[in-house]
Amino acid sequence: NAGVTQTPKFQVLKTGQSMTLQCAQDMNHEYMSWYRQDPGMGLRLIHYSVGAGITDQGEVPNGYNVSRSTTEDFPLRLLSAAPSQTSVYFCASSHRDISNKGANVLTFGAGSRLTVL
Amino acid sequence: GDSVTQMEGPVTLSEEAFLTINCTYTATGYPSLFWYVQYPGEGLQLLLKATKADDKGSNKGFEATYRKETTSFHLEKGSVQVSDSAVYFCAQPEKDTGRRALTFGSGTRLQVQP
Repeated sequence: NAGVTQTPKFQVLKTGQSMTLQCAQDMNHEYMSWYRQDPGMGLRLIHYSVGAGITDQGEVPNGYNVSRSTTEDFPLRLLSAAPSQTSVYFCASSHRDISNKGANVLTFGAGSRLTVL
Repeated sequence: GDSVTQMEGPVTLSEEAFLTINCTYTATGYPSLFWYVQYPGEGLQLLLKATKADDKGSNKGFEATYRKETTSFHLEKGSVQVSDSAVYFCAQPEKDTGRRALTFGSGTRLQVQP
């Protein structure tokens, strides 16, 4: 069981370049999300999806696009990279844990470290 | 909005020392509470959770008790090992946003020396 797989693990971009961070899960989780991790700031939600064909914005969505054409895949696109997007990106997925009154236990990928020069 | 506050790190301990990492939350009601751990070069993984007041979550020798009266969920371990060196995140579900996401604390780095 692979869980949540992210690619690439490392990427260096120049300002203005575009790229896509890939995320795939094999657990049939309905919910998927992207976070970015910056020093001293914990994790901040970028975008999320509650099912195929449905996406929505999180806390810091500007500069990022997502799509959810299948249950398994949730790619994150940077259309024109900026140095402020230098960060570690985590994809996470979850099932609905109904015993937790709607709370979710997240399964994370290993992360993608992005540097924008 | 709701938030989670953790003690700042790094926390440096010798092997077999007692560990406490403080976490307080500000949500109203009775949110579920989580501790996640991030080992070097890896993603976050669930360490333990508690779903209601006075619940005690436990795993791998770590414990945390959901204290409604002090709005706290401190992480403790009686005897840490070098392999416990990691970053620890306290978290709770976002409330009233409809996003089914977690709000994380800023993380506390633990360094255990042999």
